Amino acid sequence: NAGVTQTPKFRVLKTGQSMTLLCAQDMNHEYMYWYRQDPGMGLRLIHYSVGEGTTAKGEVPDGYNVSRLKKQNFLLGLESAAPSQTSVYFCASSRTVRGNYEQYFGPGTRLTVT
Amino acid sequence: AQRVTQPEKLLSVFKGAPVELKCNYSYSGSPELFWYVQYSRQRLQLLLRHISRESIKGFTADLNKGETSFHLKKPFAQEEDSAMYYCALSGAGSYQLTFGKGTKLSVIP
Repeated sequence: NAGVTQTPKFRVLKTGQSMTLLCAQDMNHEYMYWYRQDPGMGLRLIHYSVGEGTTAKGEVPDGYNVSRLKKQNFLLGLESAAPSQTSVYFCASSRTVRGNYEQYFGPGTRLTVT
Repeated sequence: AQRVTQPEKLLSVFKGAPVELKCNYSYSGSPELFWYVQYSRQRLQLLLRHISRESIKGFTADLNKGETSFHLKKPFAQEEDSAMYYCALSGAGSYQLTFGKGTKLSVIP
C-alpha cells in the first residue's frame, strides 16, 4: 500500500496563477483533510471531507476550493494564488471507527508563490 | 472552541536526560488527545494516543483532566528523538484534529 500520496512535491507559482494539488489514498478511508503548515503556526485545517461528494470548511478556507469526486481522491485548488499561500500543504486521511481517529499523512507539497 | 497550547517552540536536552514536552488544552467536553511526530524529511505520523495508554519509543503521555494537560515524557532522551512534536485534540464525536503549534526537540549528543 502506498498510503497517502500527494502530487506534485514542489511547485512555484506566480501571483494570480491557479493550480490543483492532488491527494490520493489507498486505504479506503472515508475522511480526508487538507492542512497547511507554516513556521510557528503548526498545522491548520483548510478543508475536509467526510465522504465522496462532500466537503466542508476548516479553519483557514479562504482562497482555496476542494472537491471529492472519488472516495480515494481529494483535490485542493488555488484559483488565484497569492504570496500568503506560500506554505507546505499536507493531505491526510482517517478511518471512522470511534477511538481510532489516527490520521495518516502524505509527504507534503511545498508551494512557493512569487 | 477547542485549543491546544504547546508553550515551548524549542526544547534542547542532552542525550540521556529526561524529556518533557508540554501540552495544555482547552475543551469543554471529553477530548481525545494525541501526539504526532515529524522527523526530518519524513511525513507527520502518530506517536501515541491517550486512550491506548501505550508507550511508544519510550515515550508516554498521561491525560490530566484536572490540569487539562497531556505532557509527553521520556526518561532518557536519544539523539534519534530529535524531531518536531505536535500535540493534537479531537473533540467528542468529531474526526477533526486541532493541532498545537509544535515543539522542536533537539537532543544534544
